[in-house]
Amino acid sequence: DQQVKQNSPSLSVQEGRISILNCDYTNSMFDYFLWYKKYPAEGPTFLISISSIKDKNEDGRFTVFLNKSAKHLSLHIVPSQPGDSAVYFCAASDATGNQFYFGTGTSLTVIP
Amino acid sequence: DGGITQSPKYLFRKEGQNVTLSCEQNLNHDAMYWYRQDPGQGLRLIYYSQIVNDFQKGDIAEGYSVSREKKESFPLTVTSAQKNPTAFYLCASSTGGDIYSNQPQHFGDGTRLSIL
Repeated sequence: DQQVKQNSPSLSVQEGRISILNCDYTNSMFDYFLWYKKYPAEGPTFLISISSIKDKNEDGRFTVFLNKSAKHLSLHIVPSQPGDSAVYFCAASDATGNQFYFGTGTSLTVIP
Repeated sequence: DGGITQSPKYLFRKEGQNVTLSCEQNLNHDAMYWYRQDPGQGLRLIYYSQIVNDFQKGDIAEGYSVSREKKESFPLTVTSAQKNPTAFYLCASSTGGDIYSNQPQHFGDGTRLSIL
């Protein structure tokens, strides 16, 4: 049973606009959430994270929002750039950090 | 440069054969992980190891085995008992510990395993 879900397999956005990628989870014990970016034929690379004590974390063009009551997080990329075109995975873990559960990924295409 | 090396990039296996995927890291990380990715699915955890000579099963460990004799190395063996081994396999490492001390996982570039 998928504990972390990304319901949009793909997203297309014009360069300069905002990209919003969404992620939902079912396990209320999850305390730590991450976003990874993956290019073809490469492993995922870490992008940004947020712990459950926060509702927002920002790093340059990337902001992650967490809504614990809705069990929902989102990644905002502003402004979007063509180099942002990749597959984005969200992941979650409980406080032990032993296991991370990944979503199925959203393929983002930024159109020049 | 520090990182994780997975080899080979592509691997072919005949029915009934065991095959071992290599994963080496020079990041001095305590924890290492193996994931499997199938089309349209997220990464699923096969095995993880928080420390040398210790490892734990993930969600889909059946048909797989691992060893952790050295901090730097965490090889994964896909045995003949794994009925559907064709997939993309990713190895990762992290500093380990709970989420308050753990750094995000670093991933290798993966090994694609196919059945002949």
